[in-house]
Amino acid sequence: DIQMTQSPSTLSASVGDRVTITCRASQSISSWLAWYQQKPGKAPKLLIYKASSLESGVPSRFSGSGSGTEFTLTISSLQPDDFATYYCQQYNSYVWTFGQGTKVEIK
Amino acid sequence: QVQLVQSGAEVKKPGASVKVSCKASGYTFTSYGISWVRQAPGQGLEWMGWISAYNGNTNYAQKLQGRVTMTTDTSTSTAYMELRSLRSDDTAVYYCARVRGLTGPFDYWGQGTLVTVSS
Repeated sequence: DIQMTQSPSTLSASVGDRVTITCRASQSISSWLAWYQQKPGKAPKLLIYKASSLESGVPSRFSGSGSGTEFTLTISSLQPDDFATYYCQQYNSYVWTFGQGTKVEIK
Repeated sequence: QVQLVQSGAEVKKPGASVKVSCKASGYTFTSYGISWVRQAPGQGLEWMGWISAYNGNTNYAQKLQGRVTMTTDTSTSTAYMELRSLRSDDTAVYYCARVRGLTGPFDYWGQGTLVTVSS
């Protein structure tokens, strides 16, 4: 099975900061990668799909990049609403795997 | 608008079974698959399995093989997830999610169902 590893596990940042989260796959997944945001007590929300495509309605400060085994999620200017946990997910051949999550906390 | 509405919270004893429902609306049910994801308290997201609402094909996570069954009822646009031989580490919030395309990301999610396993 494909394993997904995110780093860091926790990130402390301030409003206005540029934030980058990394996700590595144990084998190549081409661009079949999504990013989700989850707030406490809520279901995850799709932000990015196919590594770099922004989901409709998601603010443009979110962007994704990468292919193969290394991917990044960038928030260009962190807003108060962005403090949450972020998960990457690979999707390939009817098997889906999530990273362990990155919690973005207020510094 | 697309909605996935799940059944309510459950409390079960170890060894029992639970069946969670997920009623879809706002789209053609048989045109998309449904995946189930669970999240233990304070932990990350774990994919459990997938079912095609078109033909009922399934694929389950290896660690749950033999204990989980996913089904759909196309007449009511409802997906079901049954988990048997419950253990305390099955305590989690269980989510259903719509799969975009054949094997894509999860674009809509249910609100979650808390299943508590306790003696």
